[in-house]
Amino acid sequence: DTGVSQNPRHKITKRGQNVTFRCDPISEHNRLYWYRQTLGQGPEFLTYFQNEAQLEKSRLLSDRFSAERPKGSFSTLEIQRTEQGDSAMYLCASSLGGTGGTKNIQYFGAGTRLSVL
Amino acid sequence: SQQGEEDPQALSIQEGENATMNCSYKTSINNLQWYRQNSGRGLVHLILIRSNEREKHSGRLRVTLDTSKKSSSLLITASRAADTASYFCATALIQGAQKLVFGQGTRLTINP
Repeated sequence: DTGVSQNPRHKITKRGQNVTFRCDPISEHNRLYWYRQTLGQGPEFLTYFQNEAQLEKSRLLSDRFSAERPKGSFSTLEIQRTEQGDSAMYLCASSLGGTGGTKNIQYFGAGTRLSVL
Repeated sequence: SQQGEEDPQALSIQEGENATMNCSYKTSINNLQWYRQNSGRGLVHLILIRSNEREKHSGRLRVTLDTSKKSSSLLITASRAADTASYFCATALIQGAQKLVFGQGTRLTINP
């Protein structure tokens, strides 16, 4: 499978627990993005990596959220001390990057649905 | 907050009819993209139109872009039941911008 892979697909946790999601991008893609989507809304940007460097973070990404891409390949998104408001679909996307519009097309994974009880 | 607004929020048509969805945005863009999302799944890229393009086709899809009005439309011709999904427009705001800003989407239902 050469698409973007996200694990787990679903996560149910209790308020206050920590959770970690993983994203494996398309192998030759340099750029990796995290978005959050709540029911009935479009995805909202959280953060973006160019290789291993985290270049932009949304103000939606509170101190409880941290993302890494240690070797410029897979990425993890950790949420500490989860709150009920964190319940959402967390989407990962990757792109080739570079000049030219088609190189910036983002390919999305199926997402991780988080439910905080 | 999201830049785009899509109209209508929901659309229900008969199979074989054409479906038109509109998107408006607020700031200057580098390109605009349309995505499809089936219920509870990830997004699938449909088409990208650059800011210097006015119309683009891909199969049964036709996208127009009017940068003077900051609006775009997606037309799906000869709709099929499998086209039932949510459709989102997303804008890349500046040259080389990395993030996409999505609208709230149009929920399209194709009735057999």
